[in-house]
Amino acid sequence: AQSVTQPDIHITVSEGASLELRCNYSYGATPYLFWYVQSPGQGLQLLLKYFSGDTLVQGIKGFEAEFKRSQSSFNLRKPSVHWSDAAEYFCAVGANTGNQFYFGTGTSLTVIP
Amino acid sequence: DARVTQTPRHKVTEMGQEVTMRCQPILGHNTVFWYRQTMMQGLELLAYFRNRAPLDDSGMPKDRFSAEMPDATLATLKIQPSEPRDSAVYFCASADDRAQPQHFGDGTRLSIL
Repeated sequence: AQSVTQPDIHITVSEGASLELRCNYSYGATPYLFWYVQSPGQGLQLLLKYFSGDTLVQGIKGFEAEFKRSQSSFNLRKPSVHWSDAAEYFCAVGANTGNQFYFGTGTSLTVIP
Repeated sequence: DARVTQTPRHKVTEMGQEVTMRCQPILGHNTVFWYRQTMMQGLELLAYFRNRAPLDDSGMPKDRFSAEMPDATLATLKIQPSEPRDSAVYFCASADDRAQPQHFGDGTRLSIL
């Protein structure tokens, strides 16, 4: 069965510190992988996507993610967190056919001064 | 900048009333999704359409919820009769069949009293 797991419900980091948000997936076919960010009162915004090719993908706002097939993971990273990065982050997996998506339960990020 | 538009942004009504939420997908996108987000359940897929045809509405309570696409520029989600447990934020998202990533609207925050 297809699924996405975000093991960390909530993470707190200091401003300027590095960040890594974990995402593990279970998918029968070659996955398409995504990270979205949701600020309070807003919809989800796409941060980055992986379809194929280079396993390290760059996204907006200084984020990057690395696809590791052997670990079924697609962790999101940022070298230096800004206070404005405080938000909810969702990992998602899709198929290369059709448009079905599976979202993780989200990780809430708090940034402290 | 193309975006998904949802109306209304907020809706407060009494239980038993009919609620209609509208979504204008990004022009040219042929796939439309409806999600419901609550603190308890997270992000749940209610239904999705491709080329205006419903492909999956298994996540939607059939007795009171209905989703339609009268034309390519409008998707609607109706609840009749509404109940307090329907209180949530409802998101619409659209996607280009060939490009996968979903683009989300800002949501309709629904409160049923």
